[in-house]
Formats: sequence, C-alpha cells, structure tokens
Amino acid sequence: GAGVSQSPSNKVTEKGKDVELRCDPISGHTALYWYRQRLGQGLEFLIYFQGNSAPDKSGLPSDRFSAERTGESVSTLTIQRTQQEDSAVYLCASRGGSSEKLFFGSGTQLSVL
Amino acid sequence: GQQLNQSPQSMFIQEGEDVSMNCTSSSIFNTWLWYKQEPGEGPVLLIALYKAGELTSNGRLTAQFGITRKDSFLNISASIPSDVGIYFCAGRKNTGNQFYFGTGTSLTVIP
Repeated sequence: GAGVSQSPSNKVTEKGKDVELRCDPISGHTALYWYRQRLGQGLEFLIYFQGNSAPDKSGLPSDRFSAERTGESVSTLTIQRTQQEDSAVYLCASRGGSSEKLFFGSGTQLSVL
Repeated sequence: GQQLNQSPQSMFIQEGEDVSMNCTSSSIFNTWLWYKQEPGEGPVLLIALYKAGELTSNGRLTAQFGITRKDSFLNISASIPSDVGIYFCAGRKNTGNQFYFGTGTSLTVIP
C-alpha cells in the first residue's frame, strides 16, 4: 500500500483479555518496528523485524508481549492478559532496504479497562 | 530504553516567530531524523540527516546534524498555526537497528 496501515485504530478491552494488533508495512519494506507511546510520552521501542533474520525483541516489556511477522509483510503484536498499564498507542513503522527513513502508521489506541 | 534529551519540552509562540529546538545524547549517532506528530496520528517524517555537520531544509524547516554527532537541531521559520504539534527527534547509532526517540517538543502557535 501507499503507507503503513494499522488496525484496529482503537481497541477497548477488559483487564485480563488478550489483544492482537495488526500492521501492514509499506510494500517492499524489509524492516518493521513496533513502538509504544504512553499518553504525553515519547516512543518506546518494542521489537524490530528485518527480513528473515531473528527479530530484535529487546524492547518487549514482559513475556505477555509477543510479535510475529510473516516474511516481509504483515506483522501482529499480541498482548496477553492485558493490564491497565498496557493502555497506550501502539505504533508500527517500516523502512525499506538501505534507507534510514522510518515511516509510521497512525497507530492503535489501546484502552484496558 | 534509552531516550534522547529534547528541549524545550514545550513552546508557546506568536504566529510569524521563528522556533528552535534541539536534541542531545550521550551517544554518537549516524542518522538523525525529525518527526512531527499531530493528535490521533502517527509521527510524520520531516527531515533526515546522515552526516556530521549536514544542514538540510524542507520548506520553512531547517535541521542540522551536530558536528559532535551527539546532537541535532530543528528550526522553523515564520511559524504558522498549522505548525502546531509535537516534534520528535530520532537517532540511530552505527551499531544495531534501533531508532531512539526524543521526549518531544510540544509547539503551540498563537494566531
């Protein structure tokens, strides 16, 4: 597609439920990032995918968080047993080839009640 | 995770004024990026910098890659109301693939 697409745009869930967030990167972009942005805060790195290499999971805050990516396409971020502190905007970004330019989607606003 | 120090945290300026903000780190970066984020949207890339000392413009925006490679600056000339938003710097080191983000500068332009 023309840009990075994320769905859903908003997700309200109850504490303890699992949620799955989706990201469609720009076509042909090999690198994909997930970030978390709490209200009024900067961007917190979660995970990075590059082609078929092992992902960099160093930013995942707990084992309740996981992410997958199929080849160089769609990625899903899964949060199990959601907690109220998981409430945030989850942003996905992609980058193509040797480019240093990172392009973001509009994010998924997650609210855990 | 590591974050870049960005200042000022917020700015309230009159329309037509120039704006300056900066980003500093204790680490050396190979790439600096500047983004603007509006409510309910993801960050939008404004300018990318790749070499120490590089000065790059995008319309009324000018950004510089600091000589020490530990800082970067963004200037906005003749501000207009639509410049309102939060501006983030981001940097990437020469090792690893992570982009580290600043804490953001919130800009308010008063007509």
